[in-house]
Amino acid sequence: EIVLTQSPGTLSLSPGERATLSCRASQSISSSYLAWYQQKPGQAPRLLIYAASSRATGIPDRFSGSGSGTDFTLTISRLEPEDFAVYYCQQDSTFGPGTKVDI
Amino acid sequence: QITLKESGPTLVKPTQTLTLTCTFSGFSLSTTGVGVGWIRQPPGKALEWLALIYYNDDKRYSPSLKSRLTITKDTSNNQVVLTMTNMDPVDTATYYCAQRLQPLLYPAFDNWGQGTLVTVSS
Repeated sequence: EIVLTQSPGTLSLSPGERATLSCRASQSISSSYLAWYQQKPGQAPRLLIYAASSRATGIPDRFSGSGSGTDFTLTISRLEPEDFAVYYCQQDSTFGPGTKVDI
Repeated sequence: QITLKESGPTLVKPTQTLTLTCTFSGFSLSTTGVGVGWIRQPPGKALEWLALIYYNDDKRYSPSLKSRLTITKDTSNNQVVLTMTNMDPVDTATYYCAQRLQPLLYPAFDNWGQGTLVTVSS
């Protein structure tokens, strides 16, 4: 079973700054299988990125995904106040532990 | 517009069987390429993938929970049902149903229900 590790656990930044979130798989995976979600308190997750780098419908272009093999990255180019949330990566039937982006 | 909504008991006792229903609209589970899954999230913890059912009735289960889970679909009523046996307090979580992104090549969920909190306690 593939295990996903996300780092850092918490990222403390300010609006306007760049956020770089990492997701590492325990073995090489297909990029088609890697997705990123955003979750705010009391809300369901929202799909941001699928296939490692494709933005889901309606997702602003400040969100971008990259990576291959075992190392994947979610980048938020300039943080907006509404971007402070927890972010999860997913590989098929496995979710990572999440990265909290807070102020 | 696609919507999904989970329903079921909010409180179950240890050892009981949990039955959750996902009622959806805006798509059909008889359409090629459609899938609906269940994901749960214990309070303050990460998401956990549970089960998935496809338009052709193929099913997938979390290996660690496979012996306790059953997923079925009722196409005519636009519902997916998840049963989990032998409930334990560690199963306390918000349970979500979600639609798989199409095409099925990409195993992500792009439409989610609001979730339902299930507490396991005597």
